Amino acid sequence: EAQVTQNPRYLITVTGKKLTVTCSQNMNHEYMSWYRQDPGLGLRQIYYSMNVEVTDKGDVPEGYKVSRKEKRNFPLILESPSPNQTSLYFCASSLWVSTSGSNTQYFGPGTRLTVL
Amino acid sequence: AQSVTQLGSHVSVSEGALVLLRCNYSSSVPPYLFWYVQYPNQGLQLLLKYTSAATLVKGINGFEAEFKKSETSFHLTKPSAHMSDAAEYFCAVSKMDSSYKLIFGSGTRLLVRP
Repeated sequence: EAQVTQNPRYLITVTGKKLTVTCSQNMNHEYMSWYRQDPGLGLRQIYYSMNVEVTDKGDVPEGYKVSRKEKRNFPLILESPSPNQTSLYFCASSLWVSTSGSNTQYFGPGTRLTVL
Repeated sequence: AQSVTQLGSHVSVSEGALVLLRCNYSSSVPPYLFWYVQYPNQGLQLLLKYTSAATLVKGINGFEAEFKKSETSFHLTKPSAHMSDAAEYFCAVSKMDSSYKLIFGSGTRLLVRP
């Protein structure tokens, strides 16, 4: 089954304790992205990657890191989490076709993070 | 700059009634527009998308949306609501730069009354 998986689905942690949220897709997609969802704000992009070893900042990158060492995986790293990073996080992937924004992005099930 | 506005954070309809969820966009170039649905505790699922082919776009689960350039709108409709349609709906526009990110509206929660 074609899918985007995220782990963990739920995480409660404390301020300053480094954590990683994993994202994996089995559709051979070049493009991957992380979003956070906050009430009343919709989803906002954190980071994106157009292919292996190619990543760039989205709208809200502060406090986050990413890496893309393999095509299928795109982990999100919080080196020193703070309470304002409490949110619902989604990973997404799509085929990459240059000059086109019409590609459908497929979303993972989400990771609900609480930072105390 | 591209943006999306969804009117109404909550919409309540009776089962069997028409569903109308409003979305207006702002874009200086022809946009690619999407509607996603989020069921409780799940990720986002694509309902339909507009990519400049037909202005009336049919999606899954009986939903459709019409692109109206003169009104800069892309409203989502369904003739007859079902209880299973209760969810949050997001309209999004694809940003036409190297990020190709989706710019989302703030979402509309659809409630379906029996």
